[in-house]
Amino acid sequence: NAGVTQTPKFRVLKTGQSMTLLCAQDMNHEYMYWYRQDPGMGLRLIHYSVGEGTTAKGEVPDGYNVSRLKKQNFLLGLESAAPSQTSVYFCASSYGTSGAGYTQYFGPGTRLTVL
Amino acid sequence: SQELEQSPQSLIVQEGKNLTINCTSSKTLYGLYWYKQKYGEGLIFLMMLQKGGEEKSHEKITAKLDEKKQQSSLHITASQPSHAGIYLCGAVVMEYGNKLVFGAGTILRVKS
Repeated sequence: NAGVTQTPKFRVLKTGQSMTLLCAQDMNHEYMYWYRQDPGMGLRLIHYSVGEGTTAKGEVPDGYNVSRLKKQNFLLGLESAAPSQTSVYFCASSYGTSGAGYTQYFGPGTRLTVL
Repeated sequence: SQELEQSPQSLIVQEGKNLTINCTSSKTLYGLYWYKQKYGEGLIFLMMLQKGGEEKSHEKITAKLDEKKQQSSLHITASQPSHAGIYLCGAVVMEYGNKLVFGAGTILRVKS
């Protein structure tokens, strides 16, 4: 079991460029999440999905889009990158909701720098 | 998240010493998750607490959720260099539905 994997691990973009971050999980989880981690601010939820074909906004969704075409994959897109999107991005997945006691399992992260 | 306050922000302890990290909320917690993160890596799940007064232990780490379910503490006994990293609490707060909100993290360094 690979768990949750993320590609790429590192990326440097210029302002205005676009890119897609890929998250894959092999645990047959229904729920998937994208977070960003910034110094002193903990993790903030960008978007999440409660199942294949569904997506929803989190706390900081502006400037990002997501898609969940397959149950095991959750893609995060930046259409026009801005320096404010420099961050470490984490993907997570869970079988059910955190409120029901289901643990979220995290990928290793993608370190993105926007110049 | 402003909903969760972690303290201290960072600490340095001598190997073998005990330490405690706190996670405090102004609202009732319906679930509290503790994670550990090593620099440049993802989050590793440690423990989850749901019931007021609940206490769980794993190896030398003990986590408690107070009776009022507004504060959790993480206690490490006889710290080792392998305990170094960032400890984050994530909480389920009813106002945010079933999603986790995270504290800013506590950076732990262990001097050998």
